[in-house]
Amino acid sequence: AQKITQTQPGMFVQEKEAVTLDCTYDTSDQSYGLFWYKQPSSGEMIFLIYQGSYDEQNATEGRYSLNFQKARKSANLVISASQLGDSAMYFCAMRESFNAGGTSYGKLTFGQGTILTVHP
Amino acid sequence: EAGVAQSPRYKIIEKRQSVAFWCNPISGHATLYWYQQILGQGPKLLIQFQNNGVVDDSQLPKDRFSAERLKGVDSTLKIQPAKLEDSAVYLCASSLVGADYPGETQYFGPGTRLLVL
Repeated sequence: AQKITQTQPGMFVQEKEAVTLDCTYDTSDQSYGLFWYKQPSSGEMIFLIYQGSYDEQNATEGRYSLNFQKARKSANLVISASQLGDSAMYFCAMRESFNAGGTSYGKLTFGQGTILTVHP
Repeated sequence: EAGVAQSPRYKIIEKRQSVAFWCNPISGHATLYWYQQILGQGPKLLIQFQNNGVVDDSQLPKDRFSAERLKGVDSTLKIQPAKLEDSAVYLCASSLVGADYPGETQYFGPGTRLLVL
């Protein structure tokens, strides 16, 4: 089963408008983290925002906010006031714990991504 | 602060040849990750190092892929022999601690685009 599902292969938005990119996840862990990354055509993955499973408030970072609905296992990214430079691929990722040699580590699993195109 | 460095940025080889990629993480970061990103997909973790030890290589095709991080700083990923399906972007990332800290963020390099003909 997919651990991270991004159901929107592509999204279009008009410049200066808001857009929501969907992400649902599947885990049996109580402690986990959810991340969003942006990948422009240059290829580098740029960290945008993080939400911890125990955080009661939705995370915000400038024009980015994360709409976290724990019971529904969703972690949607909201971009307000879209800019042309926001056109890129966006990935949702989940950090889960694993044990190696008696120490607990974190591991990221990524979704398939959503291509966002911002129109002038 | 310098980011994660990778080289080369692009590589074209023929199948059955070998290739090596290099990564230098952010200074002071204990954990280093190699990901494979096939076109149209999200990155898939190949191997995770904590300092110079491997903590997860469950998805590394060990018959052809190898990686090392001898001094706990920079790392190399090698493919020998390459197959057509190895065509992908190879991303290196690093994080400060690597232990199970909820907000631990991975920072990525620009990637190496590999084309196997």
